[in-house]
Amino acid sequence: QVHLVQSGAEVKKPGASVTVSCKVSGTTLTRSSMHWVRQVPGKGLEWVGGFEPEDDETVYAPNFKGRVTMTEDTSTDTAYMEMRRLISEDTAMYYCAIRLLGQWFDSWGQGTLVIVSS
Amino acid sequence: SYELTQPPSVSVALGQTARVSCGGKNIGGRNVHWYQQKPGQAPVLVIYRDDNRPSGIPGRFSGSDSGNTAILTISRAQAEDEAVYYCQVWESSNYVFGPGTTVTVL
Repeated sequence: QVHLVQSGAEVKKPGASVTVSCKVSGTTLTRSSMHWVRQVPGKGLEWVGGFEPEDDETVYAPNFKGRVTMTEDTSTDTAYMEMRRLISEDTAMYYCAIRLLGQWFDSWGQGTLVIVSS
Repeated sequence: SYELTQPPSVSVALGQTARVSCGGKNIGGRNVHWYQQKPGQAPVLVIYRDDNRPSGIPGRFSGSDSGNTAILTISRAQAEDEAVYYCQVWESSNYVFGPGTTVTVL
């Protein structure tokens, strides 16, 4: 049973950066592909980016390219997403979501609420 | 960029069949995946690759796709099936989600 546990809620000021973590159990990061999806309150799901094994690289959605960096620590099976130059519109729930077999998300973290407010 | 459309809401009587549509150009030629999200919870995968159920998902959930429409079918709908349902496809290293459909069980 794959389980993803994310770090706690964050409150940031506009212009700041935030890093969200996601610890994996039940599998390893080397045997899977970690992605990040965000959800603005009351809205739908938006893919932020993730590791694409077909390309052997991390791919970012056009809306976030240059402002987001995703990294992994395979020694602890923990993934990280850093978002920089935060604006109020970045206030959202951020989910890590893991690909195990194909181009879908088999399991999700519980979400990390990021609030951007002055 | 590839776009998916879904109806905002679908209502179904308890024990009846609900069908949630997901529209997209030639979606029948793509693999479609479905997620269920209940209030305050993370999404859960209920159908992958058009018509496959992950372990633990009840057999009343099924999927199909053809032409420009994919369908998630919930047979014998239960109260616990009330949720928002999202379809998703992969398109050129981009994961595209539909806008979501709220299913209400009456």
